[in-house]
Amino acid sequence: EAGVTQFPSHSVIEKGQTVTLRCDPISGHDNLYWYRRVMGKEIKFLLHFVKESKQDESGMPNNRFLAERTGGTYSTLKVQPAELEDSGVYFCASSQPRSNSPLHFGNGTRLTVT
Amino acid sequence: AQTVTQSQPEMSVQEAETVTLSCTYDTSESNYYLFWYKQPPSRQMILVIRQEAYKQQNATENRFSVNFQKAAKSFSLKISDSQLGDTAMYFCAFMNRDDKIIFGKGTRLHILP
Repeated sequence: EAGVTQFPSHSVIEKGQTVTLRCDPISGHDNLYWYRRVMGKEIKFLLHFVKESKQDESGMPNNRFLAERTGGTYSTLKVQPAELEDSGVYFCASSQPRSNSPLHFGNGTRLTVT
Repeated sequence: AQTVTQSQPEMSVQEAETVTLSCTYDTSESNYYLFWYKQPPSRQMILVIRQEAYKQQNATENRFSVNFQKAAKSFSLKISDSQLGDTAMYFCAFMNRDDKIIFGKGTRLHILP
């Protein structure tokens, strides 16, 4: 089975610009999560989709971040306008709709805002 | 709020030794799930082991085992006969009843030849 894929793998943008990250979960995985890891710090929860619905978006830092999952398939995370503190690695993960299902992670998108 | 704490930022052990990584968590829920994930250098994060809170028996996966102490809210990972390929960042994770997963800060483990 194909794994979770994320695009792009790296992105370098200037402060004030817009960036859109994409995540394609494993087919059939209703749960989709976005996480962010800033250098040397914990993996911070951003939000959780169940199919196309936002189950929990309590981790979204502010309204510059917008996540969508149209049709319950792939998801996008848009940062507009980007700030320096948005730099980090953005991970996407998906899992089957069972509470003990393990997460399957993508390779992450390394975002650098200069 | 639910939290996960890993008190060891970094550890080093010799190959073939046994190492234990600690993890504590805080929750008011009675039923939940706990995981250990590892992220090797420049590679994808993968599941190491999982534990259901309602199960008293500690989970085991080959050389990996956990010591789950529910009353103490402790979930340590033991790696026996450590191998060079075990070098990675290890994250302890907690999943609540709403399938929200929270990670600790991670422990960087170095296996030395």
